[in-house]
Amino acid sequence: DAKTTQPNSMESNEEEPVHLPCNHSTISGTDYIHWYRQLPSQGPEYVIHGLTSNVNNRMASLAIAEDRKSSTLILHRATLRDAAVYYCILRRETSGSRLTFGEGTQLTVNP
Amino acid sequence: DTEVTQTPKHLVMGMTNKKSLKCEQHMGHRAMYWYKQKAKKPPELMFVYSYEKLSINESVPSRFSPECPNSSLLNLHLHALQPEDSALYLCASSLPGTGTYNEQFFGPGTRLTVL
Repeated sequence: DAKTTQPNSMESNEEEPVHLPCNHSTISGTDYIHWYRQLPSQGPEYVIHGLTSNVNNRMASLAIAEDRKSSTLILHRATLRDAAVYYCILRRETSGSRLTFGEGTQLTVNP
Repeated sequence: DTEVTQTPKHLVMGMTNKKSLKCEQHMGHRAMYWYKQKAKKPPELMFVYSYEKLSINESVPSRFSPECPNSSLLNLHLHALQPEDSALYLCASSLPGTGTYNEQFFGPGTRLTVL
């Protein structure tokens, strides 16, 4: 599976937007970009996913570069509850159900 | 109900003990997963069950034995574990198949300590 690269950590202030980057320069045409997050003492939870077009849902937005070699998860107004490890994962149709987590980005939200 | 439950929350066992972890979901998902997560590291896939049959075993040592008795239940039987097996064990479920939109729902995990 193609590899993703994320910053180890990022900080944000409450009620400000947060842009979490992910590089995936070896992405293939059939790789979907998924984001999960893991709050402290909890299991991971799905955030959003996309293939080529930008995507929005109630939790976040996903902006995908035109060449698909990078993407950005956008939290529009960070809250203290958004403090978590955010994982950017490439998921290929042929890899079936497999989710391969990278190291992720630890997001700290300051009050 | 979009919940995956796991029991027990915490488990301490000796290297000669036999214990089991349990996972349950009632979302009608036919794919279920076990992940292992060491401290400060990402989750690592161990096993995948699809329609109650083992479909992926990521070369996990035989001291870990998964079981899927029905579509709602997933067990992980533990025997003769080593201290390095101490970790958070996460269960997840999803719709089956290769659809990449099939998000996985995770339980809160069982914190296992092997003495």
